[in-house]
Amino acid sequence: QKEVEQNSGPLSVPEGAIASLNCTYSDRGSQSFFWYRQYSGKSPELIMFIYSNGDKEDGRFTAQLNKASQYVSLLIRDSQPSDSATYLCAAPNAGGTSYGKLTFGQGTILTVHP
Amino acid sequence: NAGVMQNPRHLVRRRGQEARLRCSPMKGHSHVYWYRQLPEEGLKFMVYLQKENIIDESGMPKERFSAEFPKEGPSILRIQQVVRGDSAAYFCASSPPSGETQYFGPGTRLLVL
Repeated sequence: QKEVEQNSGPLSVPEGAIASLNCTYSDRGSQSFFWYRQYSGKSPELIMFIYSNGDKEDGRFTAQLNKASQYVSLLIRDSQPSDSATYLCAAPNAGGTSYGKLTFGQGTILTVHP
Repeated sequence: NAGVMQNPRHLVRRRGQEARLRCSPMKGHSHVYWYRQLPEEGLKFMVYLQKENIIDESGMPKERFSAEFPKEGPSILRIQQVVRGDSAAYFCASSPPSGETQYFGPGTRLLVL
């Protein structure tokens, strides 16, 4: 099993809909998770991080973490064509501490069509 | 406050040459990470450095690759005797002393002919 695994996609949603991106992880010691957005040909851009079980909201983005199920998700409300990108889930691998190398999922390509 | 800087942004080398990639972290950041993204593949960790120290190099290929972060100046990722398989985007990220979140630079696209 991969350490961080994302739903393969690609995911296509209409403008204004909710996009749901999912990620599972194998290390029960992982304490924090990061969501990055990467436009084609560009570098990853941090959009959300979450440490605690439950939901964390930031504008149109909501991250959800369920440590018991080893599952983290990202919801994008009112999706816009500008949200079309690859979304990367990442977890640190430092014995449960919050820094050190990040292990990334393979990414989910999201397309928001007008 | 400038972000993470990398140069060059694009680098073309012939097989057998050396490639040097430079990274200057964000102001106030003391941790530097290098990642590689091969075409159509995900981001893979290579090495984690603090000033004058390599903390974790578990992702570095055993040969031809080396990294440093000297007391003064940028971090350098050095690839000796490049091969076509080294063609990729190399990203540097930095984090503050608390080490919580990593911010990425624009990357260096290496093309080996």
